[in-house]
Amino acid sequence: GAGVSQSPRYKVAKRGQDVALRCDPISGHVSLFWYQQALGQGPEFLTYFQNEAQLDKSGLPSDRFFAERPEGSVSTLKIQRTQQEDSAVYLCASSPSPWDSPLHFGNGTRLTVT
Amino acid sequence: KQEVTQIPAALSVPEGENLVLNCSFTDSAIYNLQWFRQDPGKGLTSLLLIQSSQREQTSGRLNASLDKSSGRSTLYIAASQPGDSATYLCAVPNNAGNMLTFGGGTRLMVKP
Repeated sequence: GAGVSQSPRYKVAKRGQDVALRCDPISGHVSLFWYQQALGQGPEFLTYFQNEAQLDKSGLPSDRFFAERPEGSVSTLKIQRTQQEDSAVYLCASSPSPWDSPLHFGNGTRLTVT
Repeated sequence: KQEVTQIPAALSVPEGENLVLNCSFTDSAIYNLQWFRQDPGKGLTSLLLIQSSQREQTSGRLNASLDKSSGRSTLYIAASQPGDSATYLCAVPNNAGNMLTFGGGTRLMVKP
């Protein structure tokens, strides 16, 4: 594929709604990462997958956040009962391996919770 | 816990100037450091990745250096152009390589 693709680009949700954000990584990339970026700040780690295995979810801010990558390619980040503090840009990145390969980022999904 | 700091937070320079962006990290036990560029409303683009065994990496007008012992990296941009205007972020991995810790970024504006 051309790059990491994320959808939707923008999402507006009312407080309390559930949302699902999709990430299509570069084909063949083993590693997939989700980051959260607040306005004017650097991205913060949420979770990491190696193929279909979620090896690290230490950055997920609460149990309302859930991520999956069932077939080791496309990943979905789900946020249940959204809150205003969830408003941010959610970035997905992939790489061929977790060690010393540069990360390739998608353009992100901007989530606004009203 | 690793902390990454970038100074300055914002920088405005006239076209043609050479400039230096700074990145510091608290835990020097890193095995690489990456510099990224982020344009407004876009994701991050990897510019340079320096392995811990290297002292610098160059790509075109960009040169990044790494001093692990002092916990510092610099990104040097030569002959800046308006197209260089963006936010520049540095990031270091944890030991497992499954997580990057980012600095807050330096927002650069190059005026024509």
